[in-house]
Amino acid sequence: DVKVTQSSRYLVKRTGEKVFLECVQDMDHENMFWYRQDPGLGLRLIYFSYDVKMKEKGDIPEGYSVSREKKERFSLILESASTNQTSMYLCASGGSGATGELFFGEGSRLTVL
Amino acid sequence: GIQVEQSPPDLILQEGANSTLRCNFSDSVNNLQWFHQNPWGQLINLFYIPSGTKQNGRLSATTVATERYSLLYISSSQTTDSGVYFCAVVSRDTGRRALTFGSGTRLQVQP
Repeated sequence: DVKVTQSSRYLVKRTGEKVFLECVQDMDHENMFWYRQDPGLGLRLIYFSYDVKMKEKGDIPEGYSVSREKKERFSLILESASTNQTSMYLCASGGSGATGELFFGEGSRLTVL
Repeated sequence: GIQVEQSPPDLILQEGANSTLRCNFSDSVNNLQWFHQNPWGQLINLFYIPSGTKQNGRLSATTVATERYSLLYISSSQTTDSGVYFCAVVSRDTGRRALTFGSGTRLQVQP
């Protein structure tokens, strides 16, 4: 079975802190993604990566950066957390270009105080 | 970008009833998936179905790509089927590899 593991299920951080959300997949997938989910706004794409050291902005990249130094790991970074970044963050991975099936991790619920 | 519309937005059923969830999309797609979001927030894969018909137990799905819609059928519903069902697609035209999600159908199955 495909496994996508997110480092933390629940985090509480303070405004201005630097936050790292880690995601690891075990299927040698080329594509990895970060989404956030908010009530009334649905799932929105933050960033994605289709290869090591490659990244592309999604629909809402402001306030976020990403890192992909190894194929299996994709990190989402909040340089200076703000209260409007309180959300559920979902990582996904998938292979085969645009047609591969995507698999999601369990999600990380971040609260910024 | 591609638009994905799901209907109905909310659905309440009695246990044992059948239901059909619909997903309409505005452009050609080369990837379509159905997910069930469990109470803890994880998205569980139900079907990878850019075209054709698939069945898995009480669930089945059909995508008619030429007419730009997909249907998810749930038969003999159980309380554990409750949750939010999402349809998500990748547009063939944009070349972007990421899924675009519909707003979901919230299903409540009552005992």
